[in-house]
Amino acid sequence: NAGVTQTPKFRVLKTGQSMTLLCAQDMNHEYMYWYRQDPGMGLRLIHYSVGEGTTAKGEVPDGYNVSRLKKQNFLLGLESAAPSQTSVYFCASSLPQSQPQHFGDGTRLSIL
Amino acid sequence: GQNIDQPTEMTATEGAIVQINCTYQTSGFNGLFWYQQHAGEAPTFLSYNVLDGLEEKGRFSSFLSRSKGYSYLLLKELQMKDSASYLCAVRDGTQYKYIFGTGTRLKVLA
Repeated sequence: NAGVTQTPKFRVLKTGQSMTLLCAQDMNHEYMYWYRQDPGMGLRLIHYSVGEGTTAKGEVPDGYNVSRLKKQNFLLGLESAAPSQTSVYFCASSLPQSQPQHFGDGTRLSIL
Repeated sequence: GQNIDQPTEMTATEGAIVQINCTYQTSGFNGLFWYQQHAGEAPTFLSYNVLDGLEEKGRFSSFLSRSKGYSYLLLKELQMKDSASYLCAVRDGTQYKYIFGTGTRLKVLA
């Protein structure tokens, strides 16, 4: 019962470094999402995808890129990390229509 | 703009009943979801409303009034393990995107 798996779980980066966060789901879900969660801010949508090969910008997309080359995987890239990107990142997936989102356990990212 | 409001914190006693309110203003509406999130963990789905009225699931119930842009989550027979944040989320008119409130942190006291 894997569900949604995020790797890595923790990471510390230096300003200017790049990295990729991986999200994998085994539920054959069409829709996938990347959120960041900061204290007092709630979950904010970074990018999302409604199917393999498609991506779209969410509420806070600047400084991030995504790719969905395979249906089960959704990658989030930080091109040049900044301290403002220190956050907890959650990936989620869902079926279309009236279906809830399933969340991964999160990636705790600190940028020094 | 799009906005979801929830109280920041609530405190209740073990065995009591607590109601967590959520008001929303969004571009379109395609359902309202409640999630539970324990500290340091992922949100987990609790309930879903798309039509007006009450949905009951064991100790948890959720109510929706679309005309008032209002929902509440009712937790009965509170247990210590119910101490968590409760997130209200609305799926907007695109049917793809979900807008989340900042969450209500509930503390259950013995």
